[in-house]
Amino acid sequence: GAVVSQHPSWVICKSGTSVKIECRSLDFQATTMFWYRQFPKQSLMLMATSNEGSKATYEQGVEKDKFLINHASLTLSTLTVTSAHPEDSSFYICSAREQRWDTGELFFGEGSRLTVL
Amino acid sequence: GQNIDQPTEMTATEGAIVQINCTYQTSGFNGLFWYQQHAGEAPTFLSYNVLDGLEEKGRFSSFLSRSKGYSYLLLKELQMKDSASYLCGVMDSNYQLIWGAGTKLIIKP
Repeated sequence: GAVVSQHPSWVICKSGTSVKIECRSLDFQATTMFWYRQFPKQSLMLMATSNEGSKATYEQGVEKDKFLINHASLTLSTLTVTSAHPEDSSFYICSAREQRWDTGELFFGEGSRLTVL
Repeated sequence: GQNIDQPTEMTATEGAIVQINCTYQTSGFNGLFWYQQHAGEAPTFLSYNVLDGLEEKGRFSSFLSRSKGYSYLLLKELQMKDSASYLCGVMDSNYQLIWGAGTKLIIKP
């Protein structure tokens, strides 16, 4: 099946620094990628929809200047958490669907656990 | 508003059968997903239903009734490794996935 790779899996950073998380579709082209955040014991929350070659669409309440999303190619989307603070500590997950939407399936990355000290 | 309801927690015995229900109210419907998530890991795809009826995949089956806004995930021959959270997600008319809070399934020997 299709594979989505997310990197890094774990990252610890100091408050005020920026962290970049990559999401790659390894064997298919993804025109759309989704970024989610999951706090402990809560469900996945959609942060933004990343469209190749255009600006991301952010969900209400998500600061676009703080969570920078770039989808420069059909296989790569990046999420940059700028000026990270301890409250940004969370599990971040990306998902992607194939350009040819015939399986109805979203493929998820492994997730990236961010801890901000 | 959009809403997905599923039980918070369920307990079942190894070797038994369990049914996890999900009801939804969304603006439009483009399919319902079930995902399994072990603690600390990313969700993994279990099933996708867009038409009414039962989809069977090994020990797991998923049912959908669009008129009732209802789905269930049926797990047979439960194994200890099935202990996980099960997420019900509905894709609305804008192809946005709306997620339920998840059902934590506890399997006892």
